[in-house]
Amino acid sequence: GAGVSQTPSNKVTEKGKYVELRCDPISGHTALYWYRQSLGQGPEFLIYFQGTGAADDSGLPNDRFFAVRPEGSVSTLKIQRTERGDSAVYLCASSLGPVQETQYFGPGTRLLVL
Amino acid sequence: GQQLNQSPQSMFIQEGEDVSMNCTSSSIFNTWLWYKQEPGEGPVLLIALYKAGELTSNGRLTAQFGITRKDSFLNISASIPSDVGIYFCAGRPNSGGSNYKLTFGKGTLLTVNP
Repeated sequence: GAGVSQTPSNKVTEKGKYVELRCDPISGHTALYWYRQSLGQGPEFLIYFQGTGAADDSGLPNDRFFAVRPEGSVSTLKIQRTERGDSAVYLCASSLGPVQETQYFGPGTRLLVL
Repeated sequence: GQQLNQSPQSMFIQEGEDVSMNCTSSSIFNTWLWYKQEPGEGPVLLIALYKAGELTSNGRLTAQFGITRKDSFLNISASIPSDVGIYFCAGRPNSGGSNYKLTFGKGTLLTVNP
């Protein structure tokens, strides 16, 4: 069956530009997560959605980062006024529910801010 | 953000050798997870541990949930070239409000020489 998909797989942008990263979770998974993975580090939690609502956005680094999931399926992570420090792999994961359920990760979007 | 202490950072071994890596934390975790990540891919779950003292195997992989709930180890027996990748430990907290949030170690890079 189809796993978590993310587009684009790579994104190069210039400092100050706006970017959108898309995540398509596994069908039927109600929980969706975004993580950020910097070079040489493990993934770090950004935000968690249960259905359409952001249940926990405590990991978003600042107000330039925003994510939506309007219909409870596809999610978009939006970054305004990108900075070089935003360069990282942005991983999306989904699970059947939030508690004790396996989180399945997508391949990630590699963002490079020049 | 908080990360687990994972060691070693990297290992270079000969095919057929056994491998051991571990993770420690200052916090108690309710669940310990071990993931493998290959280049250009997201992390894939290998083993999940849910009870202190639990020892679980998955083929050539064996992992244990420490009695103190603050540590875990992963062993790989008779390594093969396709074991190459980065292995991450991850913990899920005990607090009911955020037990969906995974905290990852920095990873162990495993290289297997055929």
